[in-house]
Amino acid sequence: GQQLNQSPQSMFIQEGEDVSMNCTSSSIFNTWLWYKQDPGEGPVLLIALYKAGELTSNGRLTAQFGITRKDSFLNISASIPSDVGIYFCAGRSPGGSNYKLTFGKGTLLTVNP
Amino acid sequence: DADVTQTPRNRITKTGKRIMLECSQTKGHDRMYWYRQDPGLGLRLIYYSFDVKDINKGEISDGYSVSRQAQAKFSLSLESAIPNQTALYFCATSGQGNTEAFFGQGTRLTVV
Repeated sequence: GQQLNQSPQSMFIQEGEDVSMNCTSSSIFNTWLWYKQDPGEGPVLLIALYKAGELTSNGRLTAQFGITRKDSFLNISASIPSDVGIYFCAGRSPGGSNYKLTFGKGTLLTVNP
Repeated sequence: DADVTQTPRNRITKTGKRIMLECSQTKGHDRMYWYRQDPGLGLRLIYYSFDVKDINKGEISDGYSVSRQAQAKFSLSLESAIPNQTALYFCATSGQGNTEAFFGQGTRLTVV
């Protein structure tokens, strides 16, 4: 099956710092998604990317679909305490009716006030 | 009200018991999914369905079964629960031609 590596596994930062996390795949994807999961809740979609090279922002969040189609990154600028949670990348491979998503193992973000 | 609703939110059950987790959605989506989340392992797909009565195995379907009798409902069953099925379970939906998945709030299942 596909391998999707997400790093780092966890991050401890001070409020106001910028954050960067990324995912790499063993094969190409035609869609990259970034989700955030708050404690006790389900993952919520932050950003969706559909084209190689695409750079998309959502407030303080910016994500890019890598040119090789095998990687994506998520940046959070000027972090705040409510950014705490687990961030997941997810990708969909091209071809046929494969609408299944492959998820990374998550990045646990802790923000110290 | 949540678009994707899971019941129960928490459940403790004994080894060997049959248990069913329910999921209902008001998004009108065709596709529904069941995922399992374990610490450090991310989300793994158990089963998915693209339409009523359509059932497809995911990467970890052993020990689970599902039922899709209506577009809005997708239930997950553990026929004989075992302790290593203790996990957080999520239902998700997506629309036709659209790959974003929308998640329920999860069911925390503990098998003792």
